[in-house]
Amino acid sequence: GESVGLHLPTLSVQEGDNSIINCAYSNSASDYFIWYKQESGKGPQFIIDIRSNMDKRQGQRVTVLLNKTVKHLSLQIAATQPGDSAVYFCAESRSGNTPLVFGKGTRLSVIA
Amino acid sequence: GAGVSQTPSNKVTEKGKYVELRCDPISGHTALYWYRQSLGQGPEFLIYFQGTGAADDSGLPNDRFFAVRPEGSVSTLKIQRTERGDSAVYLCASSLTSGEQFFGPGTRLTVL
Repeated sequence: GESVGLHLPTLSVQEGDNSIINCAYSNSASDYFIWYKQESGKGPQFIIDIRSNMDKRQGQRVTVLLNKTVKHLSLQIAATQPGDSAVYFCAESRSGNTPLVFGKGTRLSVIA
Repeated sequence: GAGVSQTPSNKVTEKGKYVELRCDPISGHTALYWYRQSLGQGPEFLIYFQGTGAADDSGLPNDRFFAVRPEGSVSTLKIQRTERGDSAVYLCASSLTSGEQFFGPGTRLTVL
């Protein structure tokens, strides 16, 4: 299948460690932010989202932090597992039902 | 399965030919999006439908690209006089009136 994420920044973490992936977004008018995981040959898969009236949201093993002052988004993955290896993209939009603008991806590589 | 499906999964064509890519959204989803993803990049927006009408087609690169959604469900992306630069993975996503966009697996288009 198609290989995504060539020449992308890579984050290598040891299995069981926590991972932090960062993203800078571009539009101060954006009010909805999403993290997607993309494995080779597949479409992006939703991980977690956050609206601009929040600065933190937690899911199962994942936490998203939003800093609107510096237009920064981060994804924290607790106890990283080999199955977490993929390319991760942040995306932004206005009002949640408009086209997404994707950031540059980060390849997460989990070392067993 | 109840996810977004796209056909074909792979399409190889010659420069100058016409191609059609199909997207079947999740049943009941009124919004449908087309994105294009080049190797090593995040998806880039092409066109967005709300029901049968194109709500935003500002991402279409030129008039060789066209998309329809005649009955508010299945959508077809049409590319005329294909060029080698059109080679990419074409992703479709659907959503309810607002919120999470669910992506299909994509169609990998190769123009020789």
